[in-house]
Amino acid sequence: AQTVTQSQPEMSVQEAETVTLSCTYDTSESDYYLFWYKQPPSRQMILVIRQEAYKQQNATENRFSVNFQKAAKSFSLKISDSQLGDAAMYFCAYRRANAGNMLTFGGGTRLMVKP
Amino acid sequence: IAGITQAPTSQILAAGRRMTLRCTQDMRHNAMYWYRQDLGLGLRLIHYSNTAGTTGKGEVPDGYSVSRANTDDFPLTLASAVPSQTSVYFCASSPTTQNTQYFGPGTRLTVL
Repeated sequence: AQTVTQSQPEMSVQEAETVTLSCTYDTSESDYYLFWYKQPPSRQMILVIRQEAYKQQNATENRFSVNFQKAAKSFSLKISDSQLGDAAMYFCAYRRANAGNMLTFGGGTRLMVKP
Repeated sequence: IAGITQAPTSQILAAGRRMTLRCTQDMRHNAMYWYRQDLGLGLRLIHYSNTAGTTGKGEVPDGYSVSRANTDDFPLTLASAVPSQTSVYFCASSPTTQNTQYFGPGTRLTVL
C-alpha cells in the first residue's frame, strides 16, 4: 500500500520570505501523480500544483514550485514571496496512474505566515 | 457554475440515526468520490463512482453506502450513525478517473 508522510506538523514563515514544505511517499509503482492541496480556514480543498512522475521537470505555478526527487521518493513544495493568504493546511497526495480512484493523503502541514 | 455543492454544511446527529449527505456537481464529471477528514490523518477515501450506475469501495467503507443514479448526484448514507463517524466529509469529482480531483466545501458531521 502507498503511504504519504508529511513530517512537519507546523511551519511558520515571515511574509515575503520563502518556505519549503516536505513530503515523502512510499510506492512500488513507476507511474503515478503527486499533488499539493491547500486547505484554508474556509475548509475548501484547493489544488495548488500537480506533478506527473514520468516528467523530470519540476512543476511550477506562479509562486509555488516543487522539488520532485523520484529516486528519493520526495516531493517538497516551495512557496516564494509568502503572503498572508498562504496561511493554511497543506496536504501532499499521491495517486497511481493506472488505477486512479484513490488519492492517498499525508497528514498535513499547518503553515503560519507572520506579518 | 457552482462546481460541487454539499448539503448540509454541518449536522449534529444522535447515534443510531440514519443520515444522508448530499453531493451535486454541475461539471458533468464522470467520476465522483467521498472522503472523510479526521485530525492528523488527512483525507481517506470512503467510496467512489467511476461513472453513473457504478460504485466501488475505498479505504474506509464500513458503515457507509452510496448510490449513483445519475451523473450529477452522489449521496452518502450512514444507515445507523456511530460516534466514530464524527468527521468532516468531502465530496470530490473529476472528469475521468485519470484527472485531477476537485473538492466540494465539506460537511461537518457530529454524532453524539
